[in-house]
Amino acid sequence: ETAVFQTPNYHVTQVGNEVSFNCKQTLGHDTMYWYKQDSKKLLKIMFSYNNKQLIVNETVPRRFSPQSSDKAHLNLRIKSVEPEDSAVYLCASSLGGKGNTLYFGAGTRLSVL
Amino acid sequence: SQLAEENLWALSVHEGESVTVNCSYKTSITALQWYRQKSGEGPAQLILIRSNEREKRNGRLRATLDTSSQSSSLSITATRCEDTAVYFCATETNSAGNKLTFGIGTRVLVRP
Repeated sequence: ETAVFQTPNYHVTQVGNEVSFNCKQTLGHDTMYWYKQDSKKLLKIMFSYNNKQLIVNETVPRRFSPQSSDKAHLNLRIKSVEPEDSAVYLCASSLGGKGNTLYFGAGTRLSVL
Repeated sequence: SQLAEENLWALSVHEGESVTVNCSYKTSITALQWYRQKSGEGPAQLILIRSNEREKRNGRLRATLDTSSQSSSLSITATRCEDTAVYFCATETNSAGNKLTFGIGTRVLVRP
């Protein structure tokens, strides 16, 4: 099966802790993304990578850092989480270039207590 | 209709009826995509319509694009309960990274 896989599905943690989310795509795509979806369903791009190179880095707090070991993997680390980080984090991949479809994973729901 | 600054809209229809979701945007675009997100899943693309196209169909789905009024619509005919989802439009511009900017989304509930 080819798709975008995210782990974990859910994560509950306390303020100040560090968390890491994993994303792997088996679609052979060159570009991967992290989006944040808030409680109102608004989707905002955080980062995108093309062949392990960062190409989009939106204005996100410095405690967020993407990590890419190869073009099939893009992880997201949050150092010292804050309550406003509670959201669903969605990973996606695409062929890159214009007019391409984004294929999303099911998301990781983060709850910060 | 969807704009990033607005709250999530909601529409309710009965199975078999048609429903139309609207989207407006503020910048010059190269393409617009429609996505559907079912509960517990990530968004999935339904239709991609380029800036030089006016209409695109995909089965029961029909998308229109009016670049002069910077608006798009997605119509679903003969709705089914499984069409219940949040529908997003997403715009693509010439900016670096080919990133998509998503609208706020419209929740569509199809009742039996």
